[in-house]
Amino acid sequence: AQTVTQSQPEMSVQEAETVTLSCTYDTSESDYYLFWYKQPPSRQMILVIRQEAYKQQNATENRFSVNFQKAAKSFSLKISDSQLGDAAMYFCAYAANFGNEKLTFGTGTRLTIIP
Amino acid sequence: EPEVTQTPSHQVTQMGQEVILRCVPISNHLYFYWYRQILGQKVEFLVSFYNNEISEKSEIFDDQFSVERPDGSNFTLKIRSTKLEDSAMYFCASTEGGPSYNEQFFGPGTRLTVL
Repeated sequence: AQTVTQSQPEMSVQEAETVTLSCTYDTSESDYYLFWYKQPPSRQMILVIRQEAYKQQNATENRFSVNFQKAAKSFSLKISDSQLGDAAMYFCAYAANFGNEKLTFGTGTRLTIIP
Repeated sequence: EPEVTQTPSHQVTQMGQEVILRCVPISNHLYFYWYRQILGQKVEFLVSFYNNEISEKSEIFDDQFSVERPDGSNFTLKIRSTKLEDSAMYFCASTEGGPSYNEQFFGPGTRLTVL
């Protein structure tokens, strides 16, 4: 069974600084996707960024980028130029590359932005 | 932009009562999911649904739970006899489906409180 582990229950960062959230996963599959979801106080699940395992290049979306280390099964999220609106719970998630595969989530990291 | 909608946003019920949580997936999507998030915990997969039948279900999805697509637009989760531990946020998600993974779009969630 696939597992996703987030070892940082809480993180904080000064506004405008950079922060990195960690995630490791375990799977026997070779083809899969990894995701970071943001959950603000409204509790809506918002997709931040996704990475296809077959792609060596790390995904980037504006201020958000990932460091994907397939051999180490590590998938960290870097947030640059942190903004107050980035404060939220961040969940790392995994899905095997089948058409309707479920998402498996980690336990989340609560990110606080210090003004 | 198309979105997944869920009603009600908050449901309060007495232990032992039946509840039905409703979702309207994105219109051209074929795969539907329910996830659950107990307050302060991670998001957990409950069930996936395709072609009018359950594709996969988790250990959480016991005989008290059922899903249905009663018409061409709604997707419902029924809890037959609610327990205190069913109190959680319930998220519906949908995706186009296909041979490889497609993004799951989440609804805003229904907060279920069992008293």
